[in-house]
Amino acid sequence: AQSVTQLDSQVPVFEEAPVELRCNYSSSVSVYLFWYVQYPNQGLQLLLKYLSGSTLVKGINGFEAEFNKSQTSFHLRKPSVHISDTAEYFCAVSSFNTGNQFYFGTGTSLTVIP
Amino acid sequence: DSGVTQTPKHLITATGQRVTLRCSPRSGDLSVYWYQQSLDQGLQFLIQYYNGEERAKGNILERFSAQQFPDLHSELNLSSLELGDSALYFCASSDPMTIYFGEGSWLTVV
Repeated sequence: AQSVTQLDSQVPVFEEAPVELRCNYSSSVSVYLFWYVQYPNQGLQLLLKYLSGSTLVKGINGFEAEFNKSQTSFHLRKPSVHISDTAEYFCAVSSFNTGNQFYFGTGTSLTVIP
Repeated sequence: DSGVTQTPKHLITATGQRVTLRCSPRSGDLSVYWYQQSLDQGLQFLIQYYNGEERAKGNILERFSAQQFPDLHSELNLSSLELGDSALYFCASSDPMTIYFGEGSWLTVV
């Protein structure tokens, strides 16, 4: 089975500062990678995904992530955060041969400080 | 809006009772998943169905059961409820490459 490690459970950052949320996965096969965001009292919303092609993926709300195959990482970045970015962020992995199974990390709580 | 619909949105029930949560997947999606999210356990995968058949099972208790019907909607049945079952229950559906979540059903057991 695959696994996903989100290295930071909580990340506090000041408003307008840059942020990076780290994600590593374990897989030796071609993977699909995802970041989801969960705002308070809401469901998980797809932020961005990597399926193939360019390793730099741009998502909604100014977020981007870079797929690094050699380091098996898919870190999420934003150059300048807003208060509204305060949320829980989940990294997930899947692959063609996992029978549509998706493996999620434990989440990173991003708190933007005014 | 992900296209995944869950009902009810909120539910309060007593210990020992049984409830049913319902889910309609996105149009065309054959896979349906159920997750439980609580403060102390995080996001836990319960079970997956694909076109009516069970595909994968996670940390689902024996008191819980699920099924996917021919029209692809799914139900999660929770019985002999305990206080610890209070949580947010998500349904999700997927195409071959991406999973999409509903807004969840809040279950409070009192």
